[in-house]
Amino acid sequence: EVHLLESGGGLVQPGKSLRLSCAASGFTFSVSAMGWVRQAPGKGLEWVSCISYNSVFKFYADSVKGRFTISRDNSESMVYLQMNALRAEDTAVYYCAKGGLMTGYAYTDWGQGSLVTVSS
Amino acid sequence: QSALTQPPSASGSPGQSVTISCTGTSSDVGAYNYVSWYQQQPGKAPKLMIFEVNKRPSGVPDRFSGSKSGNTASLTVSGLQVEDEADYYCSSYGSDNNYLVFGGGTSLTVL
Repeated sequence: EVHLLESGGGLVQPGKSLRLSCAASGFTFSVSAMGWVRQAPGKGLEWVSCISYNSVFKFYADSVKGRFTISRDNSESMVYLQMNALRAEDTAVYYCAKGGLMTGYAYTDWGQGSLVTVSS
Repeated sequence: QSALTQPPSASGSPGQSVTISCTGTSSDVGAYNYVSWYQQQPGKAPKLMIFEVNKRPSGVPDRFSGSKSGNTASLTVSGLQVEDEADYYCSSYGSDNNYLVFGGGTSLTVL
């Protein structure tokens, strides 16, 4: 059974940094593309970033480009989202999700989410 | 990266069918057969219901079906059940310059 567990969320001041982690299990992580999707309180889903299985390809939403960095460690089955220069509008639940080209750009499995609150 | 357009709400009675639309552009929905649909129950993570326009993951009831015409994709839920009440989101691949875009979501009410 696929299991994705996010951690690292919390309250952070505007302009500061935070790193989210996602621990994956139950599937062959090293051949799976991964992504992050966020959901602001009471709002819809917004795609944030994704990374190919071998870290060669990384894509970002315009809203986070230049501030967020996605990475992964296949030896540890972990994916990360480094978030810098955080803004109030980055406040959201951040979901780690499994999927990419091989799944028709669909996210087949999701974590339970990690809440990031950006506020002074 | 503009969001795909979905109606904010939809409704139907148990046993009826309802269709939710998802309108994009010739650069995303119209260009690729990479439309997905997700169901999100309150307080829960999204669940994949349809991928590649009309394919159902294992375990998703065949009451859920997807289609596409031009720049508009659709999700049809037949034989509505109370447990189908949820928010539904579409998404589409849109090339490397606009990798993935979601719709604004549709709140489905089963009356």
